[in-house]
Amino acid sequence: EAGVAQSPRYKIIEKRQSVAFWCNPISGHATLYWYQQILGQGPKLLIQFQNNGVVDDSQLPKDRFSAERLKGVDSTLKIQPAKLEDSAVYLCASSVGQGAEKLFFGSGTQLSVL
Amino acid sequence: KQEVTQIPAALSVPEGENLVLNCSFTDSAIYNLQWFRQDPGKGLTSLLLIQSSQREQTSGRLNASLDKSSGRSTLYIAASQPGDSATYLCAVTSNTGKLIFGQGTTLQVKP
Repeated sequence: EAGVAQSPRYKIIEKRQSVAFWCNPISGHATLYWYQQILGQGPKLLIQFQNNGVVDDSQLPKDRFSAERLKGVDSTLKIQPAKLEDSAVYLCASSVGQGAEKLFFGSGTQLSVL
Repeated sequence: KQEVTQIPAALSVPEGENLVLNCSFTDSAIYNLQWFRQDPGKGLTSLLLIQSSQREQTSGRLNASLDKSSGRSTLYIAASQPGDSATYLCAVTSNTGKLIFGQGTTLQVKP
């Protein structure tokens, strides 16, 4: 069974530039999550999708971050414009259903904002 | 607001030792608790999931316990090996389905 795929693996940009990350969850998984993990901290949920609808985006900085999952399968997360404090690993995860289920994580995209 | 804390932040042990990692949470109204492993530059791998009605779960050399009333969980690793070196994260699932992580314990097992 293929795992959660993310790209790119690494991205270096200058502040005020834009960047986009892509995630393809495990086939058949209805729920998709984007997490931000700052060095030395645990992952923080940015947004959770159930199929193509948003379940929770309470911690998404909506003035600069956006995410979509148009067909209920793969998803993109965008930052525009990026700030220095956005430097982190962005992890995508998926699960079969919503809530208290086992999550499967991708390898993440490491973003450095200079 | 649920907060998850892991102690210690880092741990170094010689190979073969048994060890315990600690996790505490402030709100006992949880649906379950999970322990994850994260290798450098990699995503997270789920190790054990304990439902709120359970007291412990075991997988191989790993044993996780849950005491919901005191807001504590431990991950016990028996006969540690250098391959166990990684960051271990605990996360609680709230009754609304939100997963909240601790900051992790970075374990180094020296040969």
